[in-house]
Amino acid sequence: DTGVSQDPRHKITKRGQNVTFRCDPISEHNRLYWYRQTLGQGPEFLTYFQNEAQLEKSRLLSDRFSAERPKGSFSTLEIQRTEQGDSAMYLCASSARTGSYEQYFGPGTRLTVT
Amino acid sequence: GENVEQHPSTLSVQEGDSAVIKCTYSDSASNYFPWYKQELGKRPQLIIDIRSNVGEKKDQRIAVTLNKTAKHFSLHITETQPEDSAVYFCAAKETSYDKVIFGPGTSLSVIP
Repeated sequence: DTGVSQDPRHKITKRGQNVTFRCDPISEHNRLYWYRQTLGQGPEFLTYFQNEAQLEKSRLLSDRFSAERPKGSFSTLEIQRTEQGDSAMYLCASSARTGSYEQYFGPGTRLTVT
Repeated sequence: GENVEQHPSTLSVQEGDSAVIKCTYSDSASNYFPWYKQELGKRPQLIIDIRSNVGEKKDQRIAVTLNKTAKHFSLHITETQPEDSAVYFCAAKETSYDKVIFGPGTSLSVIP
């Protein structure tokens, strides 16, 4: 499968624990995005990478959230000291180098904080 | 920043009828407007997109129109089929970097 992949697909954690999600974009795509989606809502932008550079981070993202893309390939999203309000689907998407704005989404990681 | 509104939030149509979903955006400099379809439990998938230098684009039963002056764009689905039932999201790309802002979605039900 050459599409965007995410791991894990589901994560249940207790409040206060840290969690880390991984996203592997389509191999030739240099742009990578993280979104959060709650039930009945559209994907909400969290952050964006071009290669290894994090170019933008949503003001809605608290300091408990951090993302990395160390070698310009896969990316990780870490949430520290999780809260029940963090429960959501975390989606990753990637897009090609130039000329195309189309974003390809991964299957998402569903986080449940108990 | 960009803000995207979408109407209606739910839409039911009879099979074979047309469905229209409307969106507005706030940033007049936005230049790319994709539409995504999300079936229950699945990832969003692009179904059609339009750039700001084009007023209309069609792909089989799906068409999108863009009115830059009014900052409106719409999705038209003709001859709807039960497999068209899903949540549809419009979106607009900010001119800064490639940040895409999504609307809240329209849940479309096509009744056989």
